[in-house]
Amino acid sequence: AQTVTQSQPEMSVQEAETVTLSCTYDTSESDYYLFWYKQPPSRQMILVIRQEAYKQQNATENRFSVNFQKAAKSFSLKISDSQLGDAAMYFCAYRFGGGADGLTFGKGTHLIIQP
Amino acid sequence: DSGVTQTPKHLITATGQRVTLRCSPRSGDLSVYWYQQSLDQGLQFLIQYYNGEERAKGNILERFSAQQFPDLHSELNLSSLELGDSALYFCASSPWTDNEQFFGPGTRLTVL
Repeated sequence: AQTVTQSQPEMSVQEAETVTLSCTYDTSESDYYLFWYKQPPSRQMILVIRQEAYKQQNATENRFSVNFQKAAKSFSLKISDSQLGDAAMYFCAYRFGGGADGLTFGKGTHLIIQP
Repeated sequence: DSGVTQTPKHLITATGQRVTLRCSPRSGDLSVYWYQQSLDQGLQFLIQYYNGEERAKGNILERFSAQQFPDLHSELNLSSLELGDSALYFCASSPWTDNEQFFGPGTRLTVL
């Protein structure tokens, strides 16, 4: 079974600085998708970015980018120019691409933004 | 606003009782997923329906069941409730089985 590991329970960064959140996963599949979700205090789950395993190019969405290392099974999220509104729990998630399946989540990283 | 709606927002009940959580997917989405978020277990996938049929099962207890109706809304039924069932229950939807999932605001269940 696939597993997702987020080794940083909590991270803190100064406003306007850059922070990187780590995620590793374990799977025997070659076709899969990876996601980062943000959960602010409102508890709403918000998709931040997605990466298809077959794509070599790292996904980017404005200030958010990923470093996808398929061989190392690593999928880190970089947030540039951190803003107070980025403060939230961040969850890394995996989904098998070959058919119907739900998301497998890591335990999350609590990101604190210091003003 | 993701376009996915869930009712009720909050639910307080007693051990041994049965409750039903409701989810309306985004317009046009055929696939509905249910997740449980608790302090102990984190975020766990429970079950998926696609166009009325069960497509995938995760860590769903036998006391829990779900269905998706012809109008595509879905219900999650939780019975013989225990204290440990207290959690935030999310519904998510997607157009097909392999698209990204959009989450509803969740239903907070408290079992006393």
